[in-house]
Amino acid sequence: DIQMTQSPSSLSASVGDRVTITCRASQSISSYLNWYQQKPGKAPKFLIYAASSLQSGVPSRFSGSGSGTDFTLTISTLQPEDFATYYCQQSYSAPQTFGGGTKVEIK
Amino acid sequence: QLQLQESGPGLVKPSETLSLTCTVSGGSISSSNYYWGWIRQPPGKGLEWIGTIYYSGTTYYNPSLKSRVTISVDTSNNQFSLKLSSVTAADTAVYYCASNSNYDRFDYWGQGTLVTVSS
Repeated sequence: DIQMTQSPSSLSASVGDRVTITCRASQSISSYLNWYQQKPGKAPKFLIYAASSLQSGVPSRFSGSGSGTDFTLTISTLQPEDFATYYCQQSYSAPQTFGGGTKVEIK
Repeated sequence: QLQLQESGPGLVKPSETLSLTCTVSGGSISSSNYYWGWIRQPPGKGLEWIGTIYYSGTTYYNPSLKSRVTISVDTSNNQFSLKLSSVTAADTAVYYCASNSNYDRFDYWGQGTLVTVSS
């Protein structure tokens, strides 16, 4: 199985901050990388596919980059509604696997 | 826009079979570019893919669960289902159904249902 490692596991930030979350794959996954946002008690919400393509309706302050083994999710200007846990997911090879999550908390 | 809704018992006894159904609305389960998946999340932990099915009945399972998992599809009722046998406390989790577009992304999710394994 391909292991997905996210860092940091949690971070504290303020509204207006620029936030970057990293996801590393245990082997090359090309650009088969997706990002999700999950708020407490809710289902994950799909944000970004193919490493850098924004899902329809997702605010443009979210962006993704990377290929191969190293990927980033960036929130350019953190908004109050962005405090949540973020997960990466690889779809390069079965089984599809998720990272352990990064919790973005209010400073 | 697709909507998905899980249904099934919230409590299952150890060694028994967990059974859940996902009802899809707002689109056809037979749509050619959609696959349909199950994902679970133990309390306070991360996400684990369980398996995915195509409307034709082709299935893909996580090897870690494959011996205990069966996913099936009912196109006439726009539903797909999960069965997980021989459950233990480690199977206690929120179970989500989701559309697995192009077998590469989970774009629409159900709200999730908590299944507790306990006697």
